[in-house]
Amino acid sequence: EIVLTQSPGTLSLSPGERAALSCRASESVSSNYFGWYQQKPGQPPRLLIFGTSSRANGIPDRFSGSGSGTDFTLTISRLEPEDSAVYYCQQYNYSPLTFGGGTKVEIK
Amino acid sequence: QLQLQESGSGLVKPSQTLSLTCAVSGGSISSGGYTWSWIRQPPGKGLEWIGYIYHNGITYYNPSLKSRVTISLDRSKNQFSLKLTSVTAADTAVYYCARDPGRSLSGGVIISSGMDVWGQGTTVTVSS
Repeated sequence: EIVLTQSPGTLSLSPGERAALSCRASESVSSNYFGWYQQKPGQPPRLLIFGTSSRANGIPDRFSGSGSGTDFTLTISRLEPEDSAVYYCQQYNYSPLTFGGGTKVEIK
Repeated sequence: QLQLQESGSGLVKPSQTLSLTCAVSGGSISSGGYTWSWIRQPPGKGLEWIGYIYHNGITYYNPSLKSRVTISLDRSKNQFSLKLTSVTAADTAVYYCARDPGRSLSGGVIISSGMDVWGQGTTVTVSS
């Protein structure tokens, strides 16, 4: 099973700042099969990024993804209050599909 | 616009079987998705993939649950279902269904593209 480790656990930043969320895989994952989700309290996850760097429908361009192999990054270029949420990375290259433990982004 | 809605037993006794259904509306389960998944989230914790079923009925399960899980499709009702046997308190969670629409690469190959539509989730508590 591929283990995904996200860091930091919590990120506390001000509106307008840039956030960089990291996800490290225990084995190499194809960039075609890596994504990011946003989850707000009481809501299901929302797909932000698929294929490492492609934005899902309706996702603002302040969200971007990058990376390859075992190291992937989600960047939020200019934080807005509504970006307060938990962010999960996911690999869907190998079964079982796995998620990272999440990074909580707090807006000051 | 495709939508998913989970339904089923919210309270299950230990050792019994958890049964949930995901109704698909706004699209066909036979052609509107590449895979159809079940994912769960224990209270205050992260996401765990349970398994998925392809549009052609082939299933893949998480090995940690494989001996207890069955996912099936009902094309006539446009829905798919989850059965989890011999439940314990550790199975208490919010259960989500989700769709992966797939995407085409050059050459016509279709690959997974992440889960873009999710149900709102249903809470299942295992307790006597």
